[in-house]
Amino acid sequence: DIQMTQSPSSLSASVGDRVTITCRASQGIRNDLGWYQQKPGKAPKRLIYAASSLQSGVPSRFSGSGSGTEFTLTISSLQPEDFATYYCLQHNSYPMYTFGQGTKLEIK
Amino acid sequence: EVQLVESGGGLVQPGGSLRLSCAASGFTFSSYDMHWVRQATGKGLEWVSAIGTAGDTYYPGSVKGRFTISRENAKNSLYLQMNSLRAGDTAVYYCARAQEGYFDLWGRGTLVTVSS
Repeated sequence: DIQMTQSPSSLSASVGDRVTITCRASQGIRNDLGWYQQKPGKAPKRLIYAASSLQSGVPSRFSGSGSGTEFTLTISSLQPEDFATYYCLQHNSYPMYTFGQGTKLEIK
Repeated sequence: EVQLVESGGGLVQPGGSLRLSCAASGFTFSSYDMHWVRQATGKGLEWVSAIGTAGDTYYPGSVKGRFTISRENAKNSLYLQMNSLRAGDTAVYYCARAQEGYFDLWGRGTLVTVSS
């Protein structure tokens, strides 16, 4: 099974900060990775697909990079609405999926 | 409107069974692979099961042999039969649509509580 290790598990930042979240795969997964944002009581929302492609309608301050085993999600300038929990999700072993453990982004 | 609506959650005793449903609308349900994902309170997301357009099914080890995913295309419906439920199965269960491998549409979820 492919394991996804996401870090950090929590992050405290201020509006305007640049933040980076990392996911590492236990084996190469090409670019078969997406990033999702989840707010309390809501279903997750897709932000990034194919590791670096921005979902339509998602602000350009979100970006993704990486391939193989290491991936990053970057928010270039945090906005108040960005405080949420973020998950990576691999589907290289489709249809068997693995989520990262999540990163809770909190206001400093 | 394109949407997924889950139902069937509730309180069940350990060892009991429950069947979740997910009603799809606004898209050609039969053309998509469909999944169930769960989230325990305050915890992360966990993929629970998948069913392909041909009816092929897949599960992680944590639920294999206890959960059964199925679909009824004529009714635009997805199901999850959960047997031998444990306290650790307590979670919000989401159904999700997969588009080119990515979950692009989610329901709002239904809460399953396993407790005596």
